[in-house]
Amino acid sequence: NAGVTQTPKFRILKIGQSMTLQCTQDMNHNYMYWYRQDPGMGLKLIYYSVGAGITDKGEVPNGYNVSRSTTEDFPLRLELAAPSQTSVYFCASSSPSGGAGTQYFGPGTRLLVL
Amino acid sequence: SQKIEQNSEALNIQEGKTATLTCNYTNYSPAYLQWYRQDPGRGPVFLLLIRENEKEKRKERLKVTFDTTLKQSLFHITASQPADSATYLCALDSSGAGNNRKLIWGLGTSLAVNP
Repeated sequence: NAGVTQTPKFRILKIGQSMTLQCTQDMNHNYMYWYRQDPGMGLKLIYYSVGAGITDKGEVPNGYNVSRSTTEDFPLRLELAAPSQTSVYFCASSSPSGGAGTQYFGPGTRLLVL
Repeated sequence: SQKIEQNSEALNIQEGKTATLTCNYTNYSPAYLQWYRQDPGRGPVFLLLIRENEKEKRKERLKVTFDTTLKQSLFHITASQPADSATYLCALDSSGAGNNRKLIWGLGTSLAVNP
């Protein structure tokens, strides 16, 4: 199993540009998450999904959109990039049955908005 | 509001010693608590989970305690090695009922093990 994969690894955007961060998991997990991590600020939840077709906002959803058309994929869309969105973005997934929501993370996407 | 605090200052210890990291929380009662390791430039990796009815959990050189009265968890690494150098994150379920898969995260404590 590849686990959670994210693309791209690094991207530079100009202010106002848009892009989609891709996230795929092959563990058949129902729950998926998008976080951003700024230096010294910890992980902040942007959006999460409890299954295909269901998404919900986290702590910091403004400026982002998500969709969940399949169990495997959970892309994050930035419509109008702003410097405040410069961050490292992590996608994660968690086990579908029982357990306590242990999360498995992807390698991250480093985004720089200039 | 729900709050998690971890040692803000980096912890420097000598190889072979025991490292002890602290996670304190306020304003709610989580059903479980998790510890993750994060290396620079990488995503967090799950290490251990402890439930509210468990006092202690062990995995190889790792030990976690959970004191729901003190609202505190301690994370110990015995016989520490330079390869244990990383940032360690504490996370708790946000609902307190154990059925909510959203976690609240601490800022992490940076550990450096010196040879």
